[in-house]
Amino acid sequence: AQSVTQPDIHITVSEGASLELRCNYSYGATPYLFWYVQSPGQGLQLLLKYFSGDTLVQGIKGFEAEFKRSQSSFNLRKPSVHWSDAAEYFCAVGTTYGQNFVFGPGTRLSVLP
Amino acid sequence: EAGVTQSPTHLIKTRGQQATLRCSPISGHTSVYWYQQALGLGLQFLLWYDEGEERNRGNFPPRFSGRQFPNYSSELNVNALELEDSALYLCASSLSQGLYTFGSGTRLTVV
Repeated sequence: AQSVTQPDIHITVSEGASLELRCNYSYGATPYLFWYVQSPGQGLQLLLKYFSGDTLVQGIKGFEAEFKRSQSSFNLRKPSVHWSDAAEYFCAVGTTYGQNFVFGPGTRLSVLP
Repeated sequence: EAGVTQSPTHLIKTRGQQATLRCSPISGHTSVYWYQQALGLGLQFLLWYDEGEERNRGNFPPRFSGRQFPNYSSELNVNALELEDSALYLCASSLSQGLYTFGSGTRLTVV
């Protein structure tokens, strides 16, 4: 079974600074990889996804992520953080359709003015 | 296009009661997934329905059950509520390969 780890429980950055949220997965084949964002009290919004092809994927709100098979990683990046990016971020891995879609524990992002 | 809608937004129940949560998927989506997000426990997979059938369930007791209707909407029922069932319950729908769209959730509080 696949698993996802997000090593950082909580990250604090200053507005305008760059951001990288780490995600590592365990799965024997090429997984489907996702990043979701959850604002307080809200559901999850898809930021970006990787299925195949170009390992650098662009998402909404200026986010991007890079799939590195050799490191089993799918880190999320943003060059300049905005105060509105403060939220909880979840990395997720899926396999075949509908099966065993697993979320990481989440990383809470705080943004200092 | 309307997103995934969940009702009610908030639900307060007494221990031992039953709770019914509802989810309407995006039009055309045939799969519905239920997740529990309890404080400190992250997102836990509960149930997956597709084409009216339960396809998979997570590690939850049988008092968590549900169904999917012919119009692909879904109900989650939680019987004999316990205090630890208090959580945000998220529904997601998809048409293909894990491309989930989530609703805003139902906040269940058991007192």
